[in-house]
Amino acid sequence: NAGVTQTPKFRVLKTGQSMTLLCAQDMNHEYMYWYRQDPGMGLRLIHYSVGEGTTAKGEVPDGYNVSRLKKQNFLLGLESAAPSQTSVYFCASTGQGNQPQHFGDGTRLSIL
Amino acid sequence: KQEVTQIPAALSVPEGENLVLNCSFTDSAIYNLQWFRQDPGKGLTSLLLIQSSQREQTSGRLNASLDKSSGRSTLYIAASQPGDSATYLCAVLYYGNNRLAFGKGNQVVVIP
Repeated sequence: NAGVTQTPKFRVLKTGQSMTLLCAQDMNHEYMYWYRQDPGMGLRLIHYSVGEGTTAKGEVPDGYNVSRLKKQNFLLGLESAAPSQTSVYFCASTGQGNQPQHFGDGTRLSIL
Repeated sequence: KQEVTQIPAALSVPEGENLVLNCSFTDSAIYNLQWFRQDPGKGLTSLLLIQSSQREQTSGRLNASLDKSSGRSTLYIAASQPGDSATYLCAVLYYGNNRLAFGKGNQVVVIP
């Protein structure tokens, strides 16, 4: 099983550019999450989805948009990248009930 | 606010010693508690999940306990090895929430 796959793994952007990060899971999970991880700040939730066609804001949603058009995919978009969005982005998914979250290997994003 | 705290942020132990990592949380209305491991440059890997009705979970050399009344969980790693060097994160799923509350982690170094 591939589990949770994130693409791309690395990306460098210039301020003002846009991009989309893709997360795909093959475990038929209902819930999907986007986090960012920064030194000293821990993991912070950006947006999440409780099922196909749904999205909700997390702790730090500003500057990001998401879409969950298919159950297996969760897209994170940056409309106009800013240096403050330089971070490592993790996607995770889980099923209903007492199931652990499964994480992807992350996307390292640098914005110059 | 439903906070999760892990102290200390970093610790070192000699190989062979038992590792004891603590996690405290502020609200006893938890659905489950999860322990994760994160290696440098990688995503999080689920180690153990303890349901609210359970007192402990075990997997190999790992044992996690849960005391809701005192708001604490402890992860024990028996006979530590250099390969146990990593960051360990505790996360709590509270009733009524669809998302985990993460601690900032314990960075562990096992000295050969």
